[in-house]
Amino acid sequence: ELKVEQNPLFLSMQEGKNYTIYCNYSTTSDRLYWYRQDPGKSLESLFVLLSNGAVKQEGRLMASLDTKARLSTLHITAAVHDLSATYFCAVDGDTGNQFYFGTGTSLTVIP
Amino acid sequence: DSGVTQTPKHLITATGQRVTLRCSPRSGDLSVYWYQQSLDQGLQFLIQYYNGEERAKGNILERFSAQQFPDLHSELNLSSLELGDSALYFCASSWGAEQETQYFGPGTRLLVL
Repeated sequence: ELKVEQNPLFLSMQEGKNYTIYCNYSTTSDRLYWYRQDPGKSLESLFVLLSNGAVKQEGRLMASLDTKARLSTLHITAAVHDLSATYFCAVDGDTGNQFYFGTGTSLTVIP
Repeated sequence: DSGVTQTPKHLITATGQRVTLRCSPRSGDLSVYWYQQSLDQGLQFLIQYYNGEERAKGNILERFSAQQFPDLHSELNLSSLELGDSALYFCASSWGAEQETQYFGPGTRLLVL
């Protein structure tokens, strides 16, 4: 079964700092997704990365995909408190249209 | 507000019972996805329907079944419930059949006692 690992699982960072969340997966996949979940809330789609080398940015978040390394990163620039949430990555399985989530990274931004 | 609605918001039931969760996708979206989120299992993809047809199947137990109706709403049926089925169940919708940006509903919190 495809495995999706996120690092770190917990991240506490100060406002204004930069940090990167890593998502590694165990098989070939053409697409990778990032989601955000606030405590007690549903999921919000952040990025869909469709090809090797894809990079997408929205505000202080930037996601990239390296399919050869089976690695995606979510980079946080100049963190603000509003970014505190749990971030999940997910990939399609190699059989297509399966969907596997990482364990999530719980981010706390401290003022 | 994503435009995806789910009912009920909360459900408390007993082991062995059967429940039905309902999802209405965003207007115009043809795909509906079901997910389960629990502390033990994390987030798991259960099943996808596209325009009434099953499109993809994940870790869905045989005790669970789903369908998408002609008006595109979907129902997830959970039967012979066990304590371990207690979880948040989300549905999501998207326009197309391929995995793309999905819009999530608020979820149904199921507690099996």
